Amino acid sequence: GAGVSQSPSNKVTEKGKDVELRCDPISGHTALYWYRQSLGQGLEFLIYFQGNSAPDKSGLPSDRFSAERTGGSVSTLTIQRTQQEDSAVYLCASSLSASGTHYEQYFGPGTRLTVT
Amino acid sequence: AQSVTQLDSHVSVSEGTPVLLRCNYSSSYSPSLFWYVQHPNKGLQLLLKYTSAATLVKGINGFEAEFKKSETSFHLTKPSAHMSDAAEYFCVVIPNQGGKLIFGQGTELSVKP
Repeated sequence: GAGVSQSPSNKVTEKGKDVELRCDPISGHTALYWYRQSLGQGLEFLIYFQGNSAPDKSGLPSDRFSAERTGGSVSTLTIQRTQQEDSAVYLCASSLSASGTHYEQYFGPGTRLTVT
Repeated sequence: AQSVTQLDSHVSVSEGTPVLLRCNYSSSYSPSLFWYVQHPNKGLQLLLKYTSAATLVKGINGFEAEFKKSETSFHLTKPSAHMSDAAEYFCVVIPNQGGKLIFGQGTELSVKP
């Protein structure tokens, strides 16, 4: 079946512009996660959703970062007024549930964001 | 707080020789531990997981890991390396309440012919 998909695969933007990154989880997965992978910081958790609510948004690095999920499916990560330090690969993952024995997370291919 | 430490940032082996990638964890509870692999320009893939059943866990592509509570370790091994095993490997712990994955810093595995 279809895996987690993300778009765009690559995004180049100018400093100060806003960007939106999209994630389509595996059908039927109620939990959705955003991570960031960068050379200096490794793999960092940003936020996760259970359904449409976000029980843990502790990893969002600043108030320029926000995310939403509608209809328990697609999620959008928005970065406002991008900075060069936002350059990274943004990974999305989904799982059947965020707890219990169904928390195996399946990852998408990522969106590579470059801020010039 | 829970965390994982990968003891080697880079490991190099020859094809056909054993692989050992080391991971130590810190947890107040009995943890759930994973190993993920990331091939160049590919997404993260789950290799294996430990969730307090058998302490020796078998994964895909001939990899296995042993949970040792006394040593707080979860090392990844493979008897014989293949060129296709060259990738970055991440040891991961999940908090007791579930949710986010906490990643180690990663170990890059190189396989020489």
